[in-house]
Amino acid sequence: SQKIEQNSEALNIQEGKTATLTCNYTNYSPAYLQWYRQDPGRGPVFLLLIRENEKEKRKERLKVTFDTTLKQSLFHITASQPADSATYLCALVGGSQGNLIFGKGTKLSVKP
Amino acid sequence: EPEVTQTPSHQVTQMGQEVILHCVPISNHLYFYWYRQILGQKVEFLVSFYNNEISEKSEIFDDQFSVERPDGSNFTLKIRSTKLEDSAMYFCASSVNSPGQGAETQYFGPGTRLLVL
Repeated sequence: SQKIEQNSEALNIQEGKTATLTCNYTNYSPAYLQWYRQDPGRGPVFLLLIRENEKEKRKERLKVTFDTTLKQSLFHITASQPADSATYLCALVGGSQGNLIFGKGTKLSVKP
Repeated sequence: EPEVTQTPSHQVTQMGQEVILHCVPISNHLYFYWYRQILGQKVEFLVSFYNNEISEKSEIFDDQFSVERPDGSNFTLKIRSTKLEDSAMYFCASSVNSPGQGAETQYFGPGTRLLVL
């Protein structure tokens, strides 16, 4: 069955450093992959989408890479800030009507 | 900026009772979804809805669940006879198009926290 794994449950880094989060998937060939941010008690908020023919996508301090050979996406936050502390979710489209399959997420804590 | 809204924010109910969770999707969106997240676990797909009918549903979405779009703005999830294991955060989401028409972002509501006692 389709599986998405986000290897780290938690990541602690110092303010100003680059955070790198990993998403791996199996038994799947997605046309695109999405990253969401979730704050405690809130719904996921869309951050970035990357297509299978794109190696890299950037938005301000965020960068996503997509390696369809490795079946892996990396999500980077550069110059991290305490306000970036949240859980980051990787998601793939699981069905023809767009339902998303989410990874369990990586909880990022940025210390001042 | 338009957003998905959900009511109530919290709902406490007794096992066996019926609950209805309410959502108002973004007004020009055509595709609607319900997801749930049990505490400490991943967000899981329940059902998608388009053109006034269910387009896809997961194994979780059994006969106890139903969805409805009673008017042009609301989208509801009904759980007929709640079980303890239905306790979770329920998220509504909407999108303009389906992925068949291009990669689409889903916009999530703030969620309804359901507690079944």
